[in-house]
Amino acid sequence: SQKIEQNSEALNIQEGKTATLTCNYTNYSPAYLQWYRQDPGRGPVFLLLIRENEKEKRKERLKVTFDTTLKQSLFHITASQPADSATYLCALDMGYGGSQGNLIFGKGTKLSVKP
Amino acid sequence: DGGITQSPKYLFRKEGQNVTLSCEQNLNHDAMYWYRQDPGQGLRLIYYSQIVNDFQKGDIAEGYSVSREKKESFPLTVTSAQKNPTAFYLCASSTVGRPGELFFGEGSRLTVL
Repeated sequence: SQKIEQNSEALNIQEGKTATLTCNYTNYSPAYLQWYRQDPGRGPVFLLLIRENEKEKRKERLKVTFDTTLKQSLFHITASQPADSATYLCALDMGYGGSQGNLIFGKGTKLSVKP
Repeated sequence: DGGITQSPKYLFRKEGQNVTLSCEQNLNHDAMYWYRQDPGQGLRLIYYSQIVNDFQKGDIAEGYSVSREKKESFPLTVTSAQKNPTAFYLCASSTVGRPGELFFGEGSRLTVL
């Protein structure tokens, strides 16, 4: 069966450390993978998109990797801050169709950064 | 400022009543989407539309209806046929074409009493 899993429901780390969140999938062949941030009671906000032929993408303190052999994406936040505390969602994009109506979302990982 | 506006933020309804959630965007996006979010579950697609006067069912369309009479607007009606309507509803928009990111509204929380 097809599955998308984010490594844990919650991740607690100390301020200044690197947070690493995992997104694993089975029986999908995504062309792209997206990461979103969601604060409580708010809508998700897009962070990064990585293509299947890209190994790594960076944006400021954020880094995403995409390993199509392992069927896994890792999302890193370096020098984490309490303001990074939120739920992070990964989403698979199969790449077909004219819009994003085929995105498959994971359940999310709730990150808490303690001062 | 460009963005997506959902209203109301909170809504209560009695069983057996229909309710309509509003979604308006001024991003000039062709595609719009409705998702449902429940605790412990990923976002699930209800309906989406790529062009005015056309829309497609998502994974959980039963008990919901939509219209797309204007490019800027994509209202969602939760009908009395929806068995478990209490949830957080999210509207999103995007350009058509790949790849593309979704721009989400702030959500509407519906509670059935």
